Amino acid sequence: EAEVAQSPRYKITEKSQAVAFWCDPISGHATLYWYRQILGQGPELLVQFQDESVVDDSQLPKDRFSAERLKGVDSTLKIQPAELGDSAMYLCASSRGLAPSYEQYFGPGTRLTVT
Amino acid sequence: DAKTTQPNSMESNEEEPVHLPCNHSTISGTDYIHWYRQLPSQGPEYVIHGLTSNVNNRMASLAIAEDRKSSTLILHRATLRDAAVYYCILRDGLGAQKLVFGQGTRLTINP
Repeated sequence: EAEVAQSPRYKITEKSQAVAFWCDPISGHATLYWYRQILGQGPELLVQFQDESVVDDSQLPKDRFSAERLKGVDSTLKIQPAELGDSAMYLCASSRGLAPSYEQYFGPGTRLTVT
Repeated sequence: DAKTTQPNSMESNEEEPVHLPCNHSTISGTDYIHWYRQLPSQGPEYVIHGLTSNVNNRMASLAIAEDRKSSTLILHRATLRDAAVYYCILRDGLGAQKLVFGQGTRLTINP
């Protein structure tokens, strides 16, 4: 069964450093999502792509976060500089398209710890 | 986005049915009802979704009230592997279709 791949699985970084996460969605999935999940809370959408275009980045802290999906396949989420409050699980998900009946498939996540 | 209300936690026994309730009194006619679950240390997993009619799949059943203001996720025979946080989410059929997660219901299964 196809899966969403994410790397690294764990990342420890010092505050003010740069950090990047990578996501490879299920082949053929046009829509890609990045979520952040703080311990004890539900995931929160950071950014949503349809192919290589951003559909929704209203919750992305654009002063320090950036995301790209240059060829409409895999995607990178970057934080620069990292802050202590960025410690969280970063989840990538993909779906066949934007239709509300399409389910989203989630990757295992990257757990970020900022010290 | 229309809101959902779920109990914070529920407990059940292995091999018994589990009924997880969700209230969504402000649901609109174009909102789909989705359920996802998240096992410990994993990403969320799709369970089931519906619009107006009850739905069944290999994982669960979804019972939707006639006025659509509430729904119930039914696990017919719970196993220890079903212990997870279950999220009831409304997806707008006309909007950006993003998932807005609440706190969910933490389901504990006793052996």
